[in-house]
Amino acid sequence: AQSVTQLGSHVSVSEGALVLLRCNYSSSVPPYLFWYVQYPNQGLQLLLKYTSAATLVKGINDFEAEFKKSETSFHLTKPSAHMSDAAEYFCAVSPQYSGAGSYQLTFGKGTKLSVIP
Amino acid sequence: GAGVSQSPSNKVTEKGKDVELRCDPISGHTALYWYRQSLGQGLEFLIYFQGNSAPDKSGLPSDRFSAERTGGSVSTLTIQRTQQEDSAVYLCASSLDPSGSSYEQYFGPGTRLTVT
Repeated sequence: AQSVTQLGSHVSVSEGALVLLRCNYSSSVPPYLFWYVQYPNQGLQLLLKYTSAATLVKGINDFEAEFKKSETSFHLTKPSAHMSDAAEYFCAVSPQYSGAGSYQLTFGKGTKLSVIP
Repeated sequence: GAGVSQSPSNKVTEKGKDVELRCDPISGHTALYWYRQSLGQGLEFLIYFQGNSAPDKSGLPSDRFSAERTGGSVSTLTIQRTQQEDSAVYLCASSLDPSGSSYEQYFGPGTRLTVT
């Protein structure tokens, strides 16, 4: 069984400040990990993914995340927030491919990011 | 290239009616997923299709929900005898074979279903 916990349903940062969105996971098998962003009335867009290569993953729009197995964490960061980053962010986990089974995503509850000018 | 498309974008239906939601995945993607996004429950997995394998229906909330995927491409999610608690955004996603290093799920814009 897998689960994802996102700490903080709502995070506010000032424009230009560091963005830190927290994600912890629980998984009985080695996971793949993802961060998605959702703008109002739109679908989900992939920001970045961890699929067992480098533990520090860089994504679009200067976002990055680090997979820390010992902490079961995959926190999302961005050095400097822009107004356009205001959206809802979802952390998700799926099992690594093992030849059989299902690979659906299990999502966290989401964190709504507000950027204050 | 074209992304995942879904139709209709919005659907309002009366309680007790049946609805069909359509998903056109990215061409060449062998895997297709349906999810539901609602205020109370967040994002939930519904059903997964992979190639010619039997689908994983473990996320379907009741026997009123069913889905099929014809010819390994287009998928239809059907909800029979709709209830107000079925109101949600239904998201479809597709991906290449999950064994590949390029594996990621691409999402469509969703269908917003409102049951009155």
